[in-house]
Amino acid sequence: GAVVSQHPSWVICKSGTSVKIECRSLDFQATTMFWYRQFPKQSLMLMATSNEGSKATYEQGVEKDKFLINHASLTLSTLTVTSAHPEDSSFYICSASPGGTGELFFGEGSRLTVL
Amino acid sequence: GESVGLHLPTLSVQEGDNSIINCAYSNSASDYFIWYKQESGKGPQFIIDIRSNMDKRQGQRVTVLLNKTVKHLSLQIAATQPGDSAVYFCAENPPGGGFKTIFGAGTRLFVKA
Repeated sequence: GAVVSQHPSWVICKSGTSVKIECRSLDFQATTMFWYRQFPKQSLMLMATSNEGSKATYEQGVEKDKFLINHASLTLSTLTVTSAHPEDSSFYICSASPGGTGELFFGEGSRLTVL
Repeated sequence: GESVGLHLPTLSVQEGDNSIINCAYSNSASDYFIWYKQESGKGPQFIIDIRSNMDKRQGQRVTVLLNKTVKHLSLQIAATQPGDSAVYFCAENPPGGGFKTIFGAGTRLFVKA
């Protein structure tokens, strides 16, 4: 199957700093990628749809100025958590679909801990 | 976000038994549904999917049933194995969202040896 890779797999940062998470489709091109957040023992919550070459589409209640998304190429989307606070600590997961299949492939996730 | 789950319900089964995991989806116009398996600390893994023009689809040891009347999905796992222990999520593609996928609440499956 298609491979989606995330980096870093885990990161610890101080409150007030910004953290960037990368999502790469390794063997296919993705004009659209999706970013999810998952708190412990909860489901995945869709944060935003990342669109190559254009602005991301954010879900209701997700602060676009706090969670900056850039999709500069067909194989890379980045999520930057700006001025992170402890409540932003979560598991961030990206996904993408090889063109036309509808099947989403997920990265291994990035665990963010904000001290 | 949509369909954010609360704390996960748990299903405990004996190794070798069949498992049935149920899910209610939210959008009656959704036309594509997927079951995912998530192991601890990892991203979700595709198990099986079904389109709205079907009511049943079988894979290897897994079967998905779709009841559009009551917006209900179920995942049946035959001869459950310890390696099946994980959290299982149903997910839906609402209309007009492309491949945008919304996750249901999830169920934690424990398989007792």
